[in-house]
Amino acid sequence: DTEVTQTPKHLVMGMTNKKSLKCEQHMGHRAMYWYKQKAKKPPELMFVYSYEKLSINESVPSRFSPECPNSSLLNLHLHALQPEDSALYLCASSQALARQRFNEQFFGPGTRLTVL
Amino acid sequence: GIQVEQSPPDLILQEGANSTLRCNFSDSVNNLQWFHQNPWGQLINLFYIPSGTKQNGRLSATTVATERYSLLYISSSQTTDSGVYFCAVNAGGTSYGKLTFGQGTILTVHP
Repeated sequence: DTEVTQTPKHLVMGMTNKKSLKCEQHMGHRAMYWYKQKAKKPPELMFVYSYEKLSINESVPSRFSPECPNSSLLNLHLHALQPEDSALYLCASSQALARQRFNEQFFGPGTRLTVL
Repeated sequence: GIQVEQSPPDLILQEGANSTLRCNFSDSVNNLQWFHQNPWGQLINLFYIPSGTKQNGRLSATTVATERYSLLYISSSQTTDSGVYFCAVNAGGTSYGKLTFGQGTILTVHP
Protein backbone atom coordinates (compact mmCIF):
# COMPACT_ATOMS: atom_id res chain seq x y z
CA ASP A 1 0.00 0.00 0.00
CA THR A 2 1.59 3.28 -1.14
CA GLU A 3 -1.11 5.56 0.21
CA VAL A 4 -0.74 8.85 1.99
CA THR A 5 -4.00 10.35 3.23
CA GLN A 6 -4.74 13.98 3.98
CA THR A 7 -7.66 15.66 5.69
CA PRO A 8 -9.53 17.81 5.07
CA LYS A 9 -9.67 17.92 1.26
CA HIS A 10 -10.79 21.54 1.28
CA LEU A 11 -10.53 24.20 3.99
CA VAL A 12 -11.76 27.78 4.05
CA MET A 13 -10.62 29.89 6.97
CA GLY A 14 -10.54 33.49 8.09
CA MET A 15 -7.37 35.32 8.99
CA THR A 16 -8.11 35.04 12.72
CA ASN A 17 -8.93 31.33 12.71
CA LYS A 18 -6.81 28.44 13.98
CA LYS A 19 -7.00 25.22 11.99
CA SER A 20 -4.94 22.09 11.44
CA LEU A 21 -4.12 19.93 8.43
CA LYS A 22 -3.57 16.22 9.00
CA CYS A 23 -1.48 13.69 7.10
CA GLU A 24 -1.21 9.95 7.71
CA GLN A 25 0.77 7.08 6.22
CA HIS A 26 1.06 3.42 7.15
CA MET A 27 3.97 2.41 4.94
CA GLY A 28 6.48 2.42 7.79
CA HIS A 29 8.17 5.49 6.35
CA ARG A 30 10.24 7.51 8.81
CA ALA A 31 10.51 10.71 6.74
CA MET A 32 7.54 13.01 6.18
CA TYR A 33 7.27 16.28 4.32
CA TRP A 34 5.02 19.31 3.83
CA TYR A 35 5.02 21.06 0.47
CA LYS A 36 3.08 24.13 -0.64
CA GLN A 37 1.88 24.58 -4.21
CA LYS A 38 0.51 27.84 -5.56
CA ALA A 39 -1.59 27.84 -8.71
CA LYS A 40 0.37 27.11 -11.90
CA LYS A 41 3.61 26.66 -9.93
CA PRO A 42 5.56 23.57 -8.83
CA PRO A 43 5.42 22.32 -5.24
CA GLU A 44 7.90 23.92 -2.84
CA LEU A 45 9.21 22.27 0.29
CA MET A 46 8.20 23.71 3.66
CA PHE A 47 9.29 21.16 6.29
CA VAL A 48 10.99 17.77 6.58
CA TYR A 49 10.68 15.42 9.55
CA SER A 50 13.07 12.52 9.88
CA TYR A 51 12.45 9.99 12.66
CA GLU A 52 9.90 12.38 14.17
CA LYS A 53 12.44 15.20 14.44
CA LEU A 54 12.32 18.39 12.41
CA SER A 55 15.23 18.26 9.94
CA ILE A 56 14.44 21.11 7.58
CA ASN A 57 12.43 24.32 7.97
CA GLU A 58 12.63 26.25 4.71
CA SER A 59 12.32 29.63 6.47
CA VAL A 60 8.57 29.18 6.77
CA PRO A 61 6.70 31.92 8.69
CA SER A 62 5.80 31.01 12.27
CA ARG A 63 2.08 31.15 11.47
CA PHE A 64 2.68 27.63 10.10
CA SER A 65 3.58 25.20 12.88
CA PRO A 66 4.36 21.56 12.04
CA GLU A 67 4.03 18.66 14.44
CA CYS A 68 4.94 14.98 14.13
CA PRO A 69 3.26 13.20 17.07
CA ASN A 70 4.33 9.72 15.90
CA SER A 71 5.91 7.99 12.94
CA SER A 72 2.62 7.74 11.03
CA LEU A 73 1.17 11.20 11.56
CA LEU A 74 2.12 14.69 10.48
CA ASN A 75 0.12 17.80 11.31
CA LEU A 76 0.36 21.38 10.13
CA HIS A 77 -1.16 23.90 12.52
CA LEU A 78 -2.33 27.15 10.98
CA HIS A 79 -2.87 30.45 12.79
CA ALA A 80 -3.35 34.04 11.62
CA LEU A 81 -2.84 33.16 7.97
CA GLN A 82 -2.88 35.69 5.16
CA PRO A 83 -4.83 35.49 1.88
CA GLU A 84 -1.54 34.87 0.05
CA ASP A 85 -1.22 31.61 2.00
CA SER A 86 -4.08 30.18 -0.07
CA ALA A 87 -2.62 27.18 -1.88
CA LEU A 88 -2.63 23.40 -2.21
CA TYR A 89 -0.79 21.84 0.74
CA LEU A 90 0.76 18.48 -0.04
CA CYS A 91 2.10 15.92 2.38
CA ALA A 92 4.61 13.26 1.34
CA SER A 93 6.48 10.40 2.96
CA SER A 94 9.50 8.27 2.15
CA GLN A 95 11.84 5.73 3.62
CA ALA A 96 14.70 7.29 5.56
CA LEU A 97 17.81 5.24 4.84
CA ALA A 98 21.21 5.38 6.49
CA ARG A 99 23.55 8.37 6.24
CA GLN A 100 20.85 10.95 5.49
CA ARG A 101 19.70 9.16 2.35
CA PHE A 102 16.04 9.23 1.48
CA ASN A 103 14.11 7.09 -0.91
CA GLU A 104 11.19 7.64 -3.29
CA GLN A 105 8.57 10.09 -2.03
CA PHE A 106 4.86 9.38 -2.18
CA PHE A 107 2.37 12.22 -2.04
CA GLY A 108 -1.09 12.57 -0.58
CA PRO A 109 -3.97 14.17 -2.51
CA GLY A 110 -3.49 17.53 -0.82
CA THR A 111 -5.60 20.02 1.11
CA ARG A 112 -6.83 22.99 -0.89
CA LEU A 113 -6.72 25.94 1.50
CA THR A 114 -8.48 29.26 0.98
CA VAL A 115 -7.81 32.12 3.39
CA LEU A 116 -10.40 34.88 3.35
CA GLY B 1 20.73 25.33 -4.54
CA ILE B 2 20.21 22.88 -7.38
CA GLN B 3 18.40 24.15 -10.48
CA VAL B 4 15.94 22.04 -12.47
CA GLU B 5 14.80 23.00 -15.96
CA GLN B 6 12.09 21.23 -17.90
CA SER B 7 11.28 21.48 -21.57
CA PRO B 8 9.08 22.10 -23.39
CA PRO B 9 6.86 24.17 -21.07
CA ASP B 10 3.76 23.31 -23.10
CA LEU B 11 3.03 20.44 -25.46
CA ILE B 12 -0.10 19.80 -27.52
CA LEU B 13 -0.57 16.42 -29.18
CA GLN B 14 -3.13 14.45 -31.11
CA GLU B 15 -4.14 11.16 -29.59
CA GLY B 16 -1.75 8.43 -30.69
CA ALA B 17 1.31 10.66 -31.03
CA ASN B 18 4.60 10.10 -29.23
CA SER B 19 6.48 12.71 -27.19
CA THR B 20 9.68 13.29 -25.23
CA LEU B 21 9.92 15.52 -22.17
CA ARG B 22 13.31 16.67 -20.92
CA CYS B 23 14.65 17.54 -17.46
CA ASN B 24 18.07 19.16 -16.97
CA PHE B 25 19.61 19.60 -13.53
CA SER B 26 22.57 21.66 -12.42
CA ASP B 27 24.33 19.33 -9.97
CA SER B 28 24.71 15.66 -9.11
CA VAL B 29 21.60 14.07 -7.61
CA ASN B 30 20.78 11.23 -5.26
CA ASN B 31 17.21 10.85 -6.41
CA LEU B 32 15.16 11.83 -9.43
CA GLN B 33 11.43 11.34 -9.76
CA TRP B 34 8.92 11.96 -12.54
CA PHE B 35 5.34 12.80 -11.56
CA HIS B 36 2.07 13.37 -13.36
CA GLN B 37 -0.22 15.86 -11.64
CA ASN B 38 -3.85 15.30 -12.48
CA PRO B 39 -6.46 18.10 -12.65
CA TRP B 40 -7.40 17.48 -9.00
CA GLY B 41 -3.85 18.11 -7.83
CA GLN B 42 -2.79 14.56 -7.05
CA LEU B 43 0.87 13.88 -7.80
CA ILE B 44 1.12 10.41 -9.31
CA ASN B 45 4.49 8.68 -9.19
CA LEU B 46 5.65 7.69 -12.65
CA PHE B 47 9.31 6.81 -12.15
CA TYR B 48 11.95 6.85 -9.45
CA ILE B 49 15.06 6.94 -11.64
CA PRO B 50 18.30 8.46 -10.32
CA SER B 51 20.09 6.68 -13.17
CA GLY B 52 19.45 4.19 -15.97
CA THR B 53 16.35 3.34 -17.95
CA LYS B 54 12.94 2.09 -16.85
CA GLN B 55 9.74 1.25 -18.67
CA ASN B 56 6.15 1.04 -17.50
CA GLY B 57 3.62 0.35 -20.23
CA ARG B 58 3.53 3.25 -22.68
CA LEU B 59 5.89 5.30 -20.54
CA SER B 60 9.62 5.01 -20.24
CA ALA B 61 12.33 7.15 -18.69
CA THR B 62 16.08 7.49 -18.99
CA THR B 63 18.41 9.37 -16.66
CA VAL B 64 22.01 10.07 -17.66
CA ALA B 65 23.36 11.23 -14.32
CA THR B 66 26.85 12.02 -15.60
CA GLU B 67 25.37 14.45 -18.14
CA ARG B 68 22.73 15.76 -15.72
CA TYR B 69 19.55 15.12 -17.65
CA SER B 70 16.56 12.85 -17.71
CA LEU B 71 14.03 12.09 -20.44
CA LEU B 72 10.44 10.91 -20.17
CA TYR B 73 8.97 9.20 -23.23
CA ILE B 74 5.24 8.89 -23.78
CA SER B 75 4.16 6.65 -26.65
CA SER B 76 0.71 6.36 -28.24
CA SER B 77 -0.59 9.21 -26.11
CA GLN B 78 -4.15 9.16 -24.79
CA THR B 79 -6.42 11.99 -23.63
CA THR B 80 -5.99 10.72 -20.06
CA ASP B 81 -2.27 11.55 -20.32
CA SER B 82 -3.17 15.25 -20.21
CA GLY B 83 -1.95 17.16 -17.19
CA VAL B 84 1.30 18.54 -15.80
CA TYR B 85 4.46 16.46 -15.76
CA PHE B 86 7.06 17.33 -13.13
CA CYS B 87 10.63 16.26 -12.75
CA ALA B 88 11.95 16.54 -9.18
CA VAL B 89 15.45 15.92 -7.82
CA ASN B 90 17.17 15.53 -4.49
CA ALA B 91 20.75 16.77 -4.26
CA GLY B 92 21.63 14.63 -1.23
CA GLY B 93 23.93 15.73 1.57
CA THR B 94 22.16 17.87 4.15
CA SER B 95 19.10 18.37 1.94
CA TYR B 96 17.39 15.60 3.93
CA GLY B 97 15.35 14.29 1.05
CA LYS B 98 14.18 17.70 -0.13
CA LEU B 99 12.76 17.46 -3.64
CA THR B 100 13.36 20.43 -5.91
CA PHE B 101 10.82 20.52 -8.73
CA GLY B 102 11.14 21.82 -12.25
CA GLN B 103 8.50 24.21 -13.58
CA GLY B 104 6.68 21.35 -15.28
CA THR B 105 5.49 20.51 -18.78
CA ILE B 106 1.78 21.04 -19.46
CA LEU B 107 0.64 18.27 -21.79
CA THR B 108 -2.66 18.48 -23.66
CA VAL B 109 -3.76 15.47 -25.72
CA HIS B 110 -6.66 16.06 -28.13
CA PRO B 111 -8.91 13.21 -29.33
